[in-house]
Amino acid sequence: DTGVSQDPRHKITKRGQNVTFRCDPISEHNRLYWYRQTLGQGPEFLTYFQNEAQLEKSRLLSDRFSAERPKGSFSTLEIQRTEQGDSAMYLCAGLSGTDTQYFGPGTRLTVL
Amino acid sequence: QKEVEQNSGPLSVPEGAIASLNCTYSDRGSQSFFWYRQYSGKSPELIMFIYSNGDKEDGRFTAQLNKASQYVSLLIRDSQPSDSATYLCAVPYNNNDMRFGAGTRLTVKP
Repeated sequence: DTGVSQDPRHKITKRGQNVTFRCDPISEHNRLYWYRQTLGQGPEFLTYFQNEAQLEKSRLLSDRFSAERPKGSFSTLEIQRTEQGDSAMYLCAGLSGTDTQYFGPGTRLTVL
Repeated sequence: QKEVEQNSGPLSVPEGAIASLNCTYSDRGSQSFFWYRQYSGKSPELIMFIYSNGDKEDGRFTAQLNKASQYVSLLIRDSQPSDSATYLCAVPYNNNDMRFGAGTRLTVKP
């Protein structure tokens, strides 16, 4: 158990709806990362936070995606106007000290 | 050229054999290298990491790094059916965001 939790674990939504995912790292994780993984591929970096500051965003993160980490603890990832291509596993990872990242269980999104 | 490349497999070995998983990376300045294991439908879990050239052993797992060749490998000795999973090679880029290979799917047959 890495101590990183994600909610919900599964989400099914209709195209065009908005969805929000939550990640709770452990308190020592000053950095928090979001990744997206599709079938047969490795995780792809989306964005990361150093405490509450969002320091980097991938070009994969279109303007329909937004992420926050308001108090430097939990983080949310929102997808607006979902598309079928957004169907994937969304992974959150925490990091403290060294550059080792520990993943949460992920949220599997299915857009119908 | 992808930043991190792995043979997608599938790789099949008999129980008790050595499984060898390979990974190449493009950034010659990379300093650390990670292997994650991912069971179907689950998230990646860290197996081990390596920073220095040479071998690093942890139980049945050995990571090998050759920076000159930009090559890192993972050996699994005495493979068990429970080792059947996808193995992901990962290399941190720019402020530690990980770049992952596509993974190698390993099947260990009893």
